[in-house]
This record gives sequence, structure tokens and C-alpha cells, in this order.
Amino acid sequence: DAGVIQSPRHEVTEMGQEVTLRCKPISGHNSLFWYRQTMMRGLELLIYFNNNVPIDDSGMPEDRFSAKMPNASFSTLKIQPSEPRDSAVYFCASSFPGNYQPQHFGDGTRLSIL
Amino acid sequence: QKEVEQNSGPLSVPEGAIASLNCTYSDRGSQSFFWYRQYSGKSPELIMSIYSNGDKEDGRFTAQLNKASQYVSLLIRDSQPSDSATYLCAVNLSGSEKLVFGKGTKLTVNP
Repeated sequence: DAGVIQSPRHEVTEMGQEVTLRCKPISGHNSLFWYRQTMMRGLELLIYFNNNVPIDDSGMPEDRFSAKMPNASFSTLKIQPSEPRDSAVYFCASSFPGNYQPQHFGDGTRLSIL
Repeated sequence: QKEVEQNSGPLSVPEGAIASLNCTYSDRGSQSFFWYRQYSGKSPELIMSIYSNGDKEDGRFTAQLNKASQYVSLLIRDSQPSDSATYLCAVNLSGSEKLVFGKGTKLTVNP
């Protein structure tokens, strides 16, 4: 079975450019989560969706970050304009809905903003 | 601010020994607890989930939960060099699907 699929795996871009990260959740999973991982702050939840609807975006650092989920099999996380401090590994995870369900992670996107 | 605390390590054990990883959490209403393993440069991989007080065993792994003490642990028996990784404790926020992750404990198993 296919797991969570993220693209691109690596992204290197210059400060000020728009960055779009993509995620395809596991088929049948109704909940989707975007995380950012850095050495200093660990793994932080940015936003999560349930049935394509954003439920909690309190972790989104600022207005430069936005996320969408136009359908059950696709989500994007966009940063515009990007800054060097956005450099991190961004993970997407999905799960069946409910408070007891484990989340399954994609391979992540390693983002470097120069 | 709901928190999950783990000893950052590094924790070093010899091959064949028992590795003990600990985690405390602040949200008394949390109901779901997970251990993830993360190899360097890779994504977190779920290895154990536990929901009730007591022990849960899966192969060489045993998760232990004590809700009264707000404490979760992971024991790895007969540790192997391939167990060398960072182990992340994750706890759900009460009434939510959100998980809060600890910063992880780096485990090294020496041959």
C-alpha cells in the first residue's frame, strides 16, 4: 500500500521566492497534518485538516504560510515570500479521523532558503 | 502550553542490553500515546501506541503507561545496533486529534 507521498523531496531556493510543498495522504485517511521539524524546536504541528476542512491552524507561524486541501487526496503548504528562517524539514502526515488514531508520516521535504 | 518532556540523551547501551526511554506529559486529559522511531535523515515511523494504564508488548518493545503519574516509557529488550535512532514520544491533546511531540531521545546501541 502506498504511504503518504510528499513532493519535492528537496527544495533549495532564494529568499523571497514562493515555495509550494505537496502531499498526498494515504487513501481512506480523512485527517491530514503538516509539521515542521528543526533541531531547535523539534517537530511542530503547523495545521491540520479533517475531511478537507482546516480545523486548527494555530501553529502556522505567520501570514506568509498558507495551506489548502482542495480534495481528499491532495494538500499544499505554501510559503510566500520565503525567508532563510523557514529552512527546515516539512512533514505531512495522515490518519483515520479520531483522537485515538496514529499518524503516518511521509518522507518529508527538506527546504533550504538561501 | 501543553508539553511533552523527554531526556534528550544521548543514551548509549551495549548490544543485547535493555534500553529504557522515558516521557512525561502535562495534559492530564490525554488519552492516546505513541512512540515513533526516527533514523537520521528519515521520517518518524510509528512503533508503538498505548491507550490504557499498564504494559503493552510487541516483540522486543514494551510500552508502559501510568496516567496518574503522567508518564510513558518504552523498553527495548535485546537492543540491536539497528535500534540506534531518535525516539519520539507523542501525546494527543485532550479532545483533539493534535499530537504534541517531545524533542526525542537519541539512542545508540554499541556492538
